[in-house]
Amino acid sequence: KQEVTQIPAALSVPEGENLVLNCSFTDSAIYNLQWFRQDPGKGLTSLLLIQSSQREQTSGRLNASLDKSSGRSTLYIAASQPGDSATYLCAVNWNAGNMLTFGGGTRLMVKP
Amino acid sequence: DAGVIQSPRHEVTEMGQEVTLRCKPISGHNSLFWYRQTMMRGLELLIYFNNNVPIDDSGMPEDRFSAKMPNASFSTLKIQPSEPRDSAVYFCASSFVTGAEAFFGQGTRLTVV
Repeated sequence: KQEVTQIPAALSVPEGENLVLNCSFTDSAIYNLQWFRQDPGKGLTSLLLIQSSQREQTSGRLNASLDKSSGRSTLYIAASQPGDSATYLCAVNWNAGNMLTFGGGTRLMVKP
Repeated sequence: DAGVIQSPRHEVTEMGQEVTLRCKPISGHNSLFWYRQTMMRGLELLIYFNNNVPIDDSGMPEDRFSAKMPNASFSTLKIQPSEPRDSAVYFCASSFVTGAEAFFGQGTRLTVV
């Protein structure tokens, strides 16, 4: 069964820390992987999309890496800020149809 | 572009009533998806359309659920009759081409009492 797991489920860090969020998936034959941010009561905002042929993608203070062979992706957030507090979701697409399978998310709190 | 637009944002209905959720995808996107989010099960794909045609509806939980996409700019998800366990946030998403970035709407929070 194709599954996506995110650990830890919750994380609290002081402002300014660099942090890494983890995502693992059971089948390495992915098409692409997408990281999202979700604020309480809101929709999902796309952060980064990594195609299967790519190793990483960067956007501002965010860097996502992909290691298909080990079934892992990480989202690196540099110099965290209170405004980064949200739930971060990893989603894997195992076929060209772009049907996403989501992890359970990591709820991040950045304390001032 | 205004993004993916869903309506209503909130819906409270009584058990047994019909509920219709609406979605307008981003103009030019040819793929549309309906997802459901609950505390217990997280985000789950319900149905996927490509060029207005349903491609995969294996995530639709029961026959009480149905979805249509009569044209490229509009889709509906209908629940008839609704039950309390259908209470969840329902998201619509669209993407431009196969394997492209998916964009989500703000969701419809459904409460069935």
